[in-house]
Amino acid sequence: DGGITQSPKYLFRKEGQNVTLSCEQNLNHDAMYWYRQDPGQGLRLIYYSQIVNDFQKGDIAEGYSVSREKKESFPLTVTSAQKNPTAFYLCASTRQGQGDYGYTFGSGTRLTVV
Amino acid sequence: GQSLEQPSEVTAVEGAIVQINCTYQTSGFYGLSWYQQHDGGAPTFLSYNALDGLEETGRFSSFLSRSDSYGYLLLQELQMKDSASYFCAVGSNYQLIWGAGTKLIIKP
Repeated sequence: DGGITQSPKYLFRKEGQNVTLSCEQNLNHDAMYWYRQDPGQGLRLIYYSQIVNDFQKGDIAEGYSVSREKKESFPLTVTSAQKNPTAFYLCASTRQGQGDYGYTFGSGTRLTVV
Repeated sequence: GQSLEQPSEVTAVEGAIVQINCTYQTSGFYGLSWYQQHDGGAPTFLSYNALDGLEETGRFSSFLSRSDSYGYLLLQELQMKDSASYFCAVGSNYQLIWGAGTKLIIKP
């Protein structure tokens, strides 16, 4: 079955450490997105990519970095510059467009700073 | 700025009908979508309206009025499993702009 796989499901980060969240899709979708969700809040866009080797900053890109070397993969690195990284991170993809085909989401990664 | 407004919480009784409203103000508009998210889970796509009117999918219906920048999600024959947060989102400039979500509480 096609879908999006995020790993790990839970991740613990020490102060000053960089961590990378994995996102892989086999839906042949062009566009991929990273969102952050804090408890009781909506989704905030971190980065998005509409095509391989190209990506754009979202509303809260500071302290994060991404790459899009393959169509299937869009990893997110949470750097030490992100001062409050504890949150639920969601990766999504869609066929090229404005959301009319619906976004497919991965199951998320819950990141906690220890 | 761009914003979507929806109630933070709605309470209804099992078997009843509930409507969740969404008003939006965005620089572009390519359609209104609705997503459901259970606690601890990922959002799942429910419906999409690009044109004015009502779209029906089983127990769920979604309505859009572009002239009023307004839409709603209608849930009928509520079941306990419908307890979740519901998000409206507007397609604009190759992104989805998200509302803060409405927590639907269903009482037996």
